[in-house]
Amino acid sequence: AQTVTQSQPEMSVQEAETVTLSCTYDTSESNYYLFWYKQPPSRQMILVIRQEAYKQQNATENRFSVNFQKAAKSFSLKISDSQLGDTAMYFCAFMVDTGANSKLTFGKGITLSVRP
Amino acid sequence: DVKVTQSSRYLVKRTGEKVFLECVQDMDHENMFWYRQDPGLGLRLIYFSYDVKMKEKGDIPEGYSVSREKKERFSLILESASTNQTSMYLCASSFKRGRGNTEAFFGQGTRLTVV
Repeated sequence: AQTVTQSQPEMSVQEAETVTLSCTYDTSESNYYLFWYKQPPSRQMILVIRQEAYKQQNATENRFSVNFQKAAKSFSLKISDSQLGDTAMYFCAFMVDTGANSKLTFGKGITLSVRP
Repeated sequence: DVKVTQSSRYLVKRTGEKVFLECVQDMDHENMFWYRQDPGLGLRLIYFSYDVKMKEKGDIPEGYSVSREKKERFSLILESASTNQTSMYLCASSFKRGRGNTEAFFGQGTRLTVV
């Protein structure tokens, strides 16, 4: 069974600073995908960044980047130059896609507050 | 733009009622998912479907059933609603591997209250 662990329930960061959100996962599969999703107060879940497990290079999307450590089963999200609009819940998620096993499993989420 | 539409944003039902939550996607996605979201518990998978008429139990299927008669529509059914099913319900869809990006797209959620 796949599990995703986000051990920090809440974090706070000053505007313009950098913050790192942690995520670990557990699986026996070798091919999978990892995601970070953002859920602002509007409730609409949106994708922040995606990482394929077979790629060694860490994914980057503008101010968002990941530190993917496959051996350690760790997938942290770094947000640079934090903005007030980054205030939201962030969920780490994991998917093994083998047809019948297309389960997308989420962690419990972390509430990030960006202070002006 | 990918659209995942859930039939209701807010719903209030009585204990014992049969409740249908509908989800429709317009991107020809194979995979569809139903989650419930509760404070401190994150998103928990109820059921998912990887093709028409195919379904798999998630982590918390008890008290729920699903139906996928058409590719674009995935329904969640609460056979006899109970107060412990009061929650936010989120539907999502995605391509299967090899058909495109694997990211899941979400609906706006249905906040269900069972009284």
